[in-house]
Amino acid sequence: EAGVVQSPRYKIIEKKQPVAFWCNPISGHNTLYWYRQNLGQGPELLIRYENEEAVDDSQLPKDRFSAERLKGVDSTLKIQPAELGDSAVYLCASSLPENQETQYFGPGTRLLVL
Amino acid sequence: GENVEQHPSTLSVQEGDSAVIKCTYSDSASNYFPWYKQELGKRPQLIIDIRSNVGEKKDQRIAVTLNKTAKHFSLHITETQPEDSAVYFCATRPYGNKLVFGAGTILRVKS
Repeated sequence: EAGVVQSPRYKIIEKKQPVAFWCNPISGHNTLYWYRQNLGQGPELLIRYENEEAVDDSQLPKDRFSAERLKGVDSTLKIQPAELGDSAVYLCASSLPENQETQYFGPGTRLLVL
Repeated sequence: GENVEQHPSTLSVQEGDSAVIKCTYSDSASNYFPWYKQELGKRPQLIIDIRSNVGEKKDQRIAVTLNKTAKHFSLHITETQPEDSAVYFCATRPYGNKLVFGAGTILRVKS
C-alpha cells in the first residue's frame, strides 16, 4: 500500500513570494490533515478535512494561508505571501473513516524562506 | 486548550539499557494517547498508542503507561538498540480527531 505522498520535498523561496504544497493521501482515507512542524517542535495542526469539507481550520493563519481539497482526495496548501517565520516542515497526514485516531504521515515538505 | 509537556528533551542511554519518556497533559477530556517516532528527515510513525480505558499496553520492547488521575503517560523502551535513536513525540486527543503533540525527546542510544 502506498503511503501519503507529498511534493515538493524541499522548497526555497524569497520572502513575499507565494508557495504551494501538494498532498495525496492513502487511498480510502477520507480524513486529511495539514500540520506545521517548526524546528525542534512537535507537529501543530493547521487544518483538518473530512472529505472535501474543512472541519477544523482554527489554527490556520487565514490572512496568508489557504487550503483546498476540491474532490475530497488530493489537497493543496498555499502561502501567499510567505514570511521568514513560515520556514518549517509542512506535514500532511490521513486516516481511515473507521479508524480516525491513527494518522499516517507523509514525508513532509521542508520550506525555507529567505 | 490542551497543553502537552514532554520530558526530557534529550535522553542518552547505553545500548541495552531502558529509556523512559514522560508526558503530562492538561485537558481531562483527552482519551487517546499515541506515541510517534521520527527519524532524522523522515516522517513521524506511530509506534504505540493507548486509550483512556486502559492503564498499560505493551508491544515487544515498547510499553506505554497511563495515569488519568495524574494526567500523565509514559513511554518505556527496554533493551535499547542503536536503531531506537530518533525523536519521540507524545500526543493527546482532546476532541474530535485533533492531536496535540509534545515538543519531542531526542533519544540517543550509544553502542
